[in-house]
Amino acid sequence: NAGVTQTPKFRVLKTGQSMTLLCAQDMNHEYMYWYRQDPGMGLRLIHYSVGEGTTAKGEVPDGYNVSRLKKQNFLLGLESAAPSQTSVYFCAILDLAKNIQYFGAGTRLSVL
Amino acid sequence: AQTVTQSQPEMSVQEAETVTLSCTYDTSENNYYLFWYKQPPSRQMILVIRQEAYKQQNATENRFSVNFQKAAKSFSLKISDSQLGDTAMYFCAFMKLYGGSQGNLIFGKGTKLSVKP
Repeated sequence: NAGVTQTPKFRVLKTGQSMTLLCAQDMNHEYMYWYRQDPGMGLRLIHYSVGEGTTAKGEVPDGYNVSRLKKQNFLLGLESAAPSQTSVYFCAILDLAKNIQYFGAGTRLSVL
Repeated sequence: AQTVTQSQPEMSVQEAETVTLSCTYDTSENNYYLFWYKQPPSRQMILVIRQEAYKQQNATENRFSVNFQKAAKSFSLKISDSQLGDTAMYFCAFMKLYGGSQGNLIFGKGTKLSVKP
């Protein structure tokens, strides 16, 4: 996993509940990403960060918020979960020296 | 905006044979990278191979090789001597190197490959 750890691995929420997914890296990479993966859709970028204190929207940002208060951690928040947010969520870091993204193991989220 | 298209939702191959997965992309960029990632049932995203657009030579990694046709915007993956462990979803992805959204990956929808004994 190139030192990318996601917690939790699984979660079940009820509609309207909130939660935060944590992505932690054990290196010093500037760029971090959150993707969602839905059946037949590939991975789509939700939000990303190019450094501590910075965040930017990706392709599908609605319903999510992110924070990068510490360089090692990138948090993805769902303030009011909806069934449409049932998905597998992946975090990734960009190794700028190689221009390669390395992924965490994923979080399976179900919203009932 | 860049797009990546994988036209084969599912494919199968006999063990020890060769299979080619197709990928086309659309971009106006000149400097970019292309990738193939593998996602086995464990769900982990694993980098298979990478191609730099400025390099004419096709990338190879052991049994995996690509056919990169820049003018045609085509990037196919060839798996030789297929093994049961190659059974997985395979995703083609594009990365822009400069300007806004640099470093972000644009993924195709994937090809599910089954290797049969």
